[in-house]
Parts: sequence; C-alpha cells; structure tokens
Amino acid sequence: DAGVIQSPRHEVTEMGQEVTLRCKPISGHDYLFWYRQTMMRGLELLIYFNNNVPIDDSGMPEDRFSAKMPNASFSTLKIQPSEPRDSAVYFCASSPGLGASEQFFGPGTRLTVL
Amino acid sequence: SQKIEQNSEALNIQEGKTATLTCNYTNYSPAYLQWYRQDPGRGPVFLLLIRENEKEKRKERLKVTFDTTLKQSLFHITASQPADSATYLCALAVRDMRFGAGTRLTVKP
Repeated sequence: DAGVIQSPRHEVTEMGQEVTLRCKPISGHDYLFWYRQTMMRGLELLIYFNNNVPIDDSGMPEDRFSAKMPNASFSTLKIQPSEPRDSAVYFCASSPGLGASEQFFGPGTRLTVL
Repeated sequence: SQKIEQNSEALNIQEGKTATLTCNYTNYSPAYLQWYRQDPGRGPVFLLLIRENEKEKRKERLKVTFDTTLKQSLFHITASQPADSATYLCALAVRDMRFGAGTRLTVKP
C-alpha cells in the first residue's frame, strides 16, 4: 500500500479564497482523521470519520471549515472563505480502529493564506 | 481543564547518552498511550503503544513507562544516535486521540 496520500502538498492562496484539501486513506482502514498543526497550538484534531460517517467535529474551528467523506477511499477538508490565521500544516491520518490502533499519517498539506 | 504537557520544547544530549522525555496529563483517563516520532516536513510516525495496565514496554533501544497514578509517561532512548534527532509526540487514546505539543530532541555527535 502507498500509505495515506494527501494533495496538494503545498497550497498558497489569498484571503477569501476557497481551499480544498484532499486525502486518500489506507485501504481497509475504518477511521479517518483530519488534524491541523501549528507552532502555537501543536497537533489539533479537527474531525474524524468512522466508516465514512463524521463522528466528532468539535475540533472544527468555525463554520468556514467543512469536511466530507463521500466514500471509503476519499475525504476532503474545505475552508471557505480562507483567512491568514488558517495557515498551518493539515494532516490526514487513517487507522483500523481507535484506542489501541496506531494512526498512519499522510505527508501533510502546508497551507499559506496571504 | 484537560491538558497534555511534554516536559520541554527542546532537549539536547550527547551521542551515546540516554534521552528521557516526559509526558504529563491532567483530567484524562486514557486506556492507551502512544508515542510518535515526527521529522521535519513529514507526518508523525507511530513508535510504541502502552496500555493502562502495563507499567513498561520496550522495543529495541526504546522504553516507555506509564504511571496512571502520577498521570505520567516516560519515553527513553538508550545509546542515542544523531539519527534519533526528531520531535517526539505523546498521544492519549481517549474517546479519540489527543496529542501533546512534542519535544524536539537533538543528539549531538
């Protein structure tokens, strides 16, 4: 397996634009997680899915953020409209379970909002 | 409030010494605790998992302890090497997964 795949790897956009981040989890993993990492706040859980269903989105900072998982092999995280404070590295991770299961992280998308 | 604190932002040690990293938490009752390694520009990579009923876990040069009374985990790297230089994150498996901010370890030759 190629591991968790994220695209794009880098995204530079202007304030107010819509940004869509993409993730392909490892086949067979039932859980998919979206994280955001900044120097100030570390690695924060935004939302996670179980079998394509969103379970907990309490970490999503604002209504400007939305995430979908239309099928088991694809998820998106959308920011609309984007703001400079959204600049961060966004990671997608997948896992076969919770708790005792390790999470497999993608390479991340570095987002810069000017 | 719930917190996960890792002992310091950065730790510098000499090659061959043992590195000890600390993870303290408050107002959590995790059944599992995990440690990850993160290199610059990459996602975290899983290293070890320890269960609440386990005191210690070892894997090659790595050792993890878990004290649920003290609410603390210690992560040791023995005979450290420059290649061990990275950021190390602890993660608590509660309802989901919560990560500490990480400790950046530098091993000098």
